[in-house]
Amino acid sequence: QKEVEQNSGPLSVPEGAIASLNCTYSDRGSQSFFWYRQYSGKSPELIMFIYSNGDKEDGRFTAQLNKASQYVSLLIRDSQPSDSATYLCAVNSLRTGGTSYGKLTFGQGTILTVHP
Amino acid sequence: DAGVIQSPRHEVTEMGQEVTLRCKPISGHDYLFWYRQTMMRGLELLIYFNNNVPIDDSGMPEDRFSAKMPNASFSTLKIQPSEPRDSAVYFCASSSKSYNEQFFGPGTRLTVL
Repeated sequence: QKEVEQNSGPLSVPEGAIASLNCTYSDRGSQSFFWYRQYSGKSPELIMFIYSNGDKEDGRFTAQLNKASQYVSLLIRDSQPSDSATYLCAVNSLRTGGTSYGKLTFGQGTILTVHP
Repeated sequence: DAGVIQSPRHEVTEMGQEVTLRCKPISGHDYLFWYRQTMMRGLELLIYFNNNVPIDDSGMPEDRFSAKMPNASFSTLKIQPSEPRDSAVYFCASSSKSYNEQFFGPGTRLTVL
């Protein structure tokens, strides 16, 4: 089982629709969760981060976290063609033994295409 | 803020040659990360530093790869000798704390012929 798995995609939605991106993780000790967007040929850029169970909204983006189910998702409302990109889920894990460190484990990414 | 700076942006070399990639993190950030991205394997963490000290190098694929951080504003990733399978985009990222977001540089696209 991969440490971080994302829905395989590619995902295609019409302009104005809601895009739903999903991610599961295997390490129950994971504490923080990030969604990055990567345009073709560019570097990843952070869209959202979430630490607590529940929903976190930022503009058209909503991150949802359920630690019991080890599941994190990203919803994009009113999708625009400019949202077409690869979306990477990343999870920050704590080393057992009490020493925290900053390693992020990334999923394989989901390619999203928003068509006019 | 200039962001994370990487050089060169593109590198084409022949198998067996030494390759050195460079990174300047964002000023004040005390974590620095080196990643490699390929279509097959996605984004992989190679090594990361905290306060210039290597913390986890378990992602370094083999002894041909080495990384250094001689001071807070500079790091290098060296491949010697390079092989065609090393062709990838190499990203450097930095962050201010272990839980905070990582800011990525523009990447170095390496092609080994």
